[in-house]
Amino acid sequence: GAVVSQHPSWVICKSGTSVKIECRSLDFQATTMFWYRQFPKQSLMLMATSNEGSKATYEQGVEKDKFLINHASLTLSTLTVTSAHPEDSSFYICSARGEVSYEQYFGPGTRLTVT
Amino acid sequence: KNQVEQSPQSLIILEGKNCTLQCNYTVSPFSNLRWYKQDTGRGPVSLTIMTFSENTKSNGRYTATLDADTKQSSLHITASQLSDSASYICVGSTLGRLYFGRGTQLTVWP
Repeated sequence: GAVVSQHPSWVICKSGTSVKIECRSLDFQATTMFWYRQFPKQSLMLMATSNEGSKATYEQGVEKDKFLINHASLTLSTLTVTSAHPEDSSFYICSARGEVSYEQYFGPGTRLTVT
Repeated sequence: KNQVEQSPQSLIILEGKNCTLQCNYTVSPFSNLRWYKQDTGRGPVSLTIMTFSENTKSNGRYTATLDADTKQSSLHITASQLSDSASYICVGSTLGRLYFGRGTQLTVWP
């Protein structure tokens, strides 16, 4: 089956620093990748949608200059949280979708803690 | 407004028992209805996907139903196991977007 990986699985950083999270589709080409954020006991909230080779589309209320998304290849998308603050602490999950299937395959998530 | 509501918010059952989780959705235009299992600290894993024409689908001990008229879905878990302890999320899909419920937190006790 389709596998999506994320790296790192957890990260702790100091306030004001930047953190990069990678999302990879391991056995299929992902034309579209999605980034979600999930707070404790809350549902997944879509942050942005990225298509390979083009700029990401951000959801209302998500700062594009703070959450930089790059989808440079069909197997890799990155989310960079710039100048992180404690309120950015959350569980970040990516998903990937191929050309043919409407199925989204989710990564295992990255736990970000900003101190 | 597209939204998905789930009940109960949490549920505790004994190992070996059955349970049913509920989902009401208002997603339009409707593409499909999905159920995911999410273990703590992990990403969601797909259990079932149902389109408008399907009213039941099984995946092992998991059976999902869909009533497109009342916009309700249920997930029935048979002969629960300790490993079933997780959050079960109902998701409505429309126009390539997913709308997530908050999930039902299921705890299975030995």
